[in-house]
Amino acid sequence: AQTVTQSQPEMSVQEAETVTLSCTYDTSESNYYLFWYKQPPSRQMILVIRQEAYKQQNATENRFSVNFQKAAKSFSLKISDSQLGDTAMYFCAFIFGNEKLTFGTGTRLTIIP
Amino acid sequence: GAGVSQTPSNKVTEKGKYVELRCDPISGHTALYWYRQSLGQGPEFLIYFQGTGAADDSGLPNDRFFAVRPEGSVSTLKIQRTERGDSAVYLCASSSPPYTEAFFGQGTRLTVV
Repeated sequence: AQTVTQSQPEMSVQEAETVTLSCTYDTSESNYYLFWYKQPPSRQMILVIRQEAYKQQNATENRFSVNFQKAAKSFSLKISDSQLGDTAMYFCAFIFGNEKLTFGTGTRLTIIP
Repeated sequence: GAGVSQTPSNKVTEKGKYVELRCDPISGHTALYWYRQSLGQGPEFLIYFQGTGAADDSGLPNDRFFAVRPEGSVSTLKIQRTERGDSAVYLCASSSPPYTEAFFGQGTRLTVV
């Protein structure tokens, strides 16, 4: 069974600063996908960034980038130039094949003006 | 519609009552997922449909929970004899091949009083 661990329940950072959210996972599979989702108060889960395990290059999407360490089973999210709109819950998630997503417990991120 | 639609947005029901939660996926998406998100937790898998059939219902907590997708599009999650512990946000997601991205609705917040 796959597990996803997020060890930072809450984080806060000043606007325009950089923040890194941590995620570790456990799986015996070799080909899988990892995701970071953002959940604002509206409750809708929004995909922030996706990483394919067979790609060594770290994924980037504008201000969002990941540090994917496959051997260490680590998948952290870096948010650069943080904005007030980044305030939300962030969930790390794992999927193998076309099966269900397995989520971590989330990190509540607050951007301070 | 443009996205995944869930109705109702909020539902308050009395303990012991029966409830139905509806999910209208993105048109053409063959895969549909139900998740339950308790307060302060990440979403937990309930059931996954591929077309009309339940491909994986291992996350349903007990036989009070049932879901259908009779025509391969709209799905209904049914909860019998609701209990206060069923209070949570119920999220629906849909996906299409290669199933590497799931699109979520805004969820239904169920409160059992």
